[in-house]
Amino acid sequence: EVQLVESGGGLVQPGGSLRLSCAASGFTFSSYWMHWVRQAPGKGLVWVSRINSDGSSTSYADSVKGRFTISRDNAKNTLYLQMNSLRAEDTAVYYCATVTFDYWGQGTLVTVSS
Amino acid sequence: SYELTQPSSVSVSPGQTARITCSGDVLAKKYARWFQQKPGQAPVLVIYKDSERPSGIPERFSGSSSGTTVTLTISGAQVEDEADYYCYSAEVFGGGTKLTVL
Repeated sequence: EVQLVESGGGLVQPGGSLRLSCAASGFTFSSYWMHWVRQAPGKGLVWVSRINSDGSSTSYADSVKGRFTISRDNAKNTLYLQMNSLRAEDTAVYYCATVTFDYWGQGTLVTVSS
Repeated sequence: SYELTQPSSVSVSPGQTARITCSGDVLAKKYARWFQQKPGQAPVLVIYKDSERPSGIPERFSGSSSGTTVTLTISGAQVEDEADYYCYSAEVFGGGTKLTVL
């Protein structure tokens, strides 16, 4: 059974940093490109970032470029999102998903507030 | 970057056909996906490659494409189809459409 489990969310002050993790199981993680998608409370889905299977190619939404870094550890079957210089508008549930969006995690809530 | 435009809401009675559109220039060049999201849940893929249906998705869900517009059609909508629906293409999501079935 395919499982994606996000962790690392929480409350952080503006300007702070947080690293999200997405633990994958039930499929050959190292063969799959992966996405991060976020959803602010009561708002729509927003694509955040994408990484290819070996981590050599990444892509970011303009709103997070230069502040967020996507990475992966295929030996640990884990996807990451390093978030720096956080702003109130980054408050959202963050989901990881496989490249074709067949599988999603349950999401982890990030709240940026003083 | 691209933009995908959806109506904010669509309302139908049970058994009627619901159509949700998504428009954007990128759709003339790239395939679209559609997602269903119910409150408190992660999104679920219901259509990919404009019109393909993943296994386990009911046949009443279908997709079509014409030029710069793709359409999600729910034939004989049921109460349990009430949800938010999002289109996606080329690393962009549409703004979402709230489907009400009552």
